[in-house]
Amino acid sequence: DAKTTQPTSMDCAEGRAANLPCNHSTISGNEYVYWYRQIHSQGPQYIIHGLKNNETNEMASLIITEDRKSSTLILPHATLRDTAVYYCIVKGLGNAGNNRKLIWGLGTSLAVNP
Amino acid sequence: NAGVTQTPKFRILKIGQSMTLQCTQDMNHNYMYWYRQDPGMGLKLIYYSVGAGITDKGEVPNGYNVSRSTTEDFPLRLELAAPSQTSVYFCASRGLAGLEQYFGPGTRLTVT
Repeated sequence: DAKTTQPTSMDCAEGRAANLPCNHSTISGNEYVYWYRQIHSQGPQYIIHGLKNNETNEMASLIITEDRKSSTLILPHATLRDTAVYYCIVKGLGNAGNNRKLIWGLGTSLAVNP
Repeated sequence: NAGVTQTPKFRILKIGQSMTLQCTQDMNHNYMYWYRQDPGMGLKLIYYSVGAGITDKGEVPNGYNVSRSTTEDFPLRLELAAPSQTSVYFCASRGLAGLEQYFGPGTRLTVT
């Protein structure tokens, strides 16, 4: 079972920031938070990951709360091409046992509107 | 690099037929994965491999078989197709030290 909970759907106006929340209250100390997205009918695409510090790359920013029980993915200036399903996943570092796998939930369907 | 490629893109099978879904990656990645995605659902892991000659079951392996004779290729075999196997199949790979998985474009399979 997925270890995260996300809203089923969200809307955002084009050009505005999209803030996608994720709850992971049972996260353990060595587990990372990953975000992927899946544009309709395509394979998922990696966006960003983090452990406890906030992270930023060319696609998005990831804000993780101090207690690590929740996080927010921020798309600073959403475009129509950002319309997709966004998945938040937690996974431990390393390659042993369950750390070899990603467990996918249902994600958040983000609609960016003109 | 082409990344992860999958063939075919689409396929229709009759019940009881068999087929192989092909997956190839050119990034020299150790880890490879097969997922299925049913409409409106997240991805379910079928099988994965941590290197040539080593495979392991995921969450939903029944009805499927895999092999990994080379680093590049990870084919998925359906022996007796059933309507419940109608789905979109994604292959992915990951480097040994990498944290992100790279996905192929998917194969849309219909069993009737």
